[in-house]
Amino acid sequence: EAQVTQNPRYLITVTGKKLTVTCSQNMNHEYMSWYRQDPGLGLRQIYYSMNVEVTDKGDVPEGYKVSRKEKRNFPLILESPSPNQTSLYFCASSSVGASYNSPLHFGNGTRLTVT
Amino acid sequence: GDSVTQMEGPVTLSEEAFLTINCTYTATGYPSLFWYVQYPGEGLQLLLKATKADDKGSNKGFEATYRKETTSFHLEKGSVQVSDSAVYFCALSAYGGATNKLIFGTGTLLAVQP
Repeated sequence: EAQVTQNPRYLITVTGKKLTVTCSQNMNHEYMSWYRQDPGLGLRQIYYSMNVEVTDKGDVPEGYKVSRKEKRNFPLILESPSPNQTSLYFCASSSVGASYNSPLHFGNGTRLTVT
Repeated sequence: GDSVTQMEGPVTLSEEAFLTINCTYTATGYPSLFWYVQYPGEGLQLLLKATKADDKGSNKGFEATYRKETTSFHLEKGSVQVSDSAVYFCALSAYGGATNKLIFGTGTLLAVQP
């Protein structure tokens, strides 16, 4: 089954404790992206990757890191989480960019709480 | 910059009622337009899409028409069901070609009561 898999689904952590949210897709997609979803703000892009070893900042990259060493994986790293990073995070992928002929496929989300 | 504005929710309807969720956009060039749906506890799924003026996207009884003159892409369904309860996101992809992101609206929660 074609899917984007994120882990964990729920995560509660404390300020400053490094964490990684994993994302994997089995569709051989070149493009992957991370979004955060907050009430009243919709989805905002954190980072994206057009292909292996190619990553770039989205609209809200501060406090996050990513890597794309393999085509299928795109982990999101919070080196020193803070309470303002409490949010619902989504990983998404598509064959090429985010266009009419290449719609985004989303994971089921990771709800992160930083205390 | 490019942006999407959609109506505030929640929208509460009785089963079999008519649904409209308004969406307007601001963009340079000729964006592609999308509606995504997020069911409780799940990620977003593509519901329908349109790529040029007067195109109508449709799926699962939902429809939306790309109106360039009013820069709108309103979502409609003639008879909603309880199973349609979800959050609906309007989005645009700039320039109609491959691009690095979709720009999303803030989402509209739809609650359908039996």
